[in-house]
Amino acid sequence: AQSVAQPEDQVNVAEGNPLTVKCTYSVSGNPYLFWYVQYPNRGLQFLLKYITGDNLVKGSYGFEAEFNKSQTSFHLKKPSALVSDSALYFCAVRDGGGGFKTIFGAGTRLFVKA
Amino acid sequence: SAVISQKPSRDICQRGTSLTIQCQVDSQVTMMFWYRQQPGQSLTLIATANQGSEATYESGFVIDKFPISRPNLTFSTLTVSNMSPEDSSIYLCSVAALAGSTDTQYFGPGTRLTVL
Repeated sequence: AQSVAQPEDQVNVAEGNPLTVKCTYSVSGNPYLFWYVQYPNRGLQFLLKYITGDNLVKGSYGFEAEFNKSQTSFHLKKPSALVSDSALYFCAVRDGGGGFKTIFGAGTRLFVKA
Repeated sequence: SAVISQKPSRDICQRGTSLTIQCQVDSQVTMMFWYRQQPGQSLTLIATANQGSEATYESGFVIDKFPISRPNLTFSTLTVSNMSPEDSSIYLCSVAALAGSTDTQYFGPGTRLTVL
């Protein structure tokens, strides 16, 4: 069975500092990994995905994520946080072996202070 | 990516009534899904809406409670039947343009349902 864990309920960073939102996963086949962001009273917006290829993937709004197979992790990063990055972030995983069922993590709330 | 709209955006309903949520996409998509996001929690897949056939429900969700229609490749409805306060959630429509599992899912803005 596939699963995804976001170990931090909340991450606090100061504006201009680098940020990391952690995600680990478990799937039986090749992992397809996704990050989404949810702003208040809005749906989920797609940030980036890893399917295959380069372990470092770049996405929207300056975010990037690094796939680490040995650690089964897919942490979301940004070199310099903005106050406007404050939102709820979801990591998601799909088993690349087939099917379209995507499992979402519990979410991590990011607060960026000015 | 597709532009997805949902109606209504929010509603407050009485216990025992039913609400139908509409999802409209601006282009034809192969896959459509319905998710539930309970307060302070993550997303849970309710079902995959199949065009021209019965939806495929996930464990814990049944057709009698959450009937789904998908008459064409751009539209789907989810009904929440015989509602109770436990059904208070955000309901999200999601689409993927391709049948291949590498494709990205996109989400509508959600319908915020409160059941009194």
